[in-house]
Amino acid sequence: DTGVSQDPRHKITKRGQNVTFRCDPISEHNRLYWYRQTLGQGPEFLTYFQNEAQLEKSRLLSDRFSAERPKGSFSTLEIQRTEQGDSAMYLCASSLSDSPDTQYFGPGTRLTVL
Amino acid sequence: QKEVEQNSGPLSVPEGAIASLNCTYSDRGSQSFFWYRQYSGKSPELIMSIYSNGDKEDGRFTAQLNKASQYVSLLIRDSQPSDSATYLCAVSLSGAGSYQLTFGKGTKLSVIP
Repeated sequence: DTGVSQDPRHKITKRGQNVTFRCDPISEHNRLYWYRQTLGQGPEFLTYFQNEAQLEKSRLLSDRFSAERPKGSFSTLEIQRTEQGDSAMYLCASSLSDSPDTQYFGPGTRLTVL
Repeated sequence: QKEVEQNSGPLSVPEGAIASLNCTYSDRGSQSFFWYRQYSGKSPELIMSIYSNGDKEDGRFTAQLNKASQYVSLLIRDSQPSDSATYLCAVSLSGAGSYQLTFGKGTKLSVIP
């Protein structure tokens, strides 16, 4: 499978715990994006990377959220001190630099905070 | 604030009919426009992109763009029950330093056999 992959697919955690999600983009895609989607809404942009550089962050990305892409390949999204409002589907997408807004999504990580 | 508006539906059409999905956007600087299909519990799947005014056809799908009216639409010909899904419209400013996609809430399409 050469698409975007995400791990884990589901995560259930208790309020206050930290969680980390991983995204592996399509090979040779140097741009990687994180979005969040709640029920009945479209995905909302969180942040994006070009290679290892984090170039843009949404105001939605509070101080409890951090994302990294240390070697310009896979990326991680960490949420510290989770809150019930963090329950959502976290989606990763990737694109090529010559068509950066043509983004292909991974299967997502569904987070449930109890 | 960038906004993308879609009718939430549900839009019900009989099998074999044409389904017409509409989207309006607020930012005149938007340059790229996309339609994604999302089945329940799954992630969005890119089905069409359009960048210039007019129509773009791909199989049973036709995307239409009118930048003056800030309007994008998706037509699905010969609708099949497997087309039943939520269709998300997304726009990008492209090249204005940001490639983030702004999505509408989606229109739920139901194709009745």
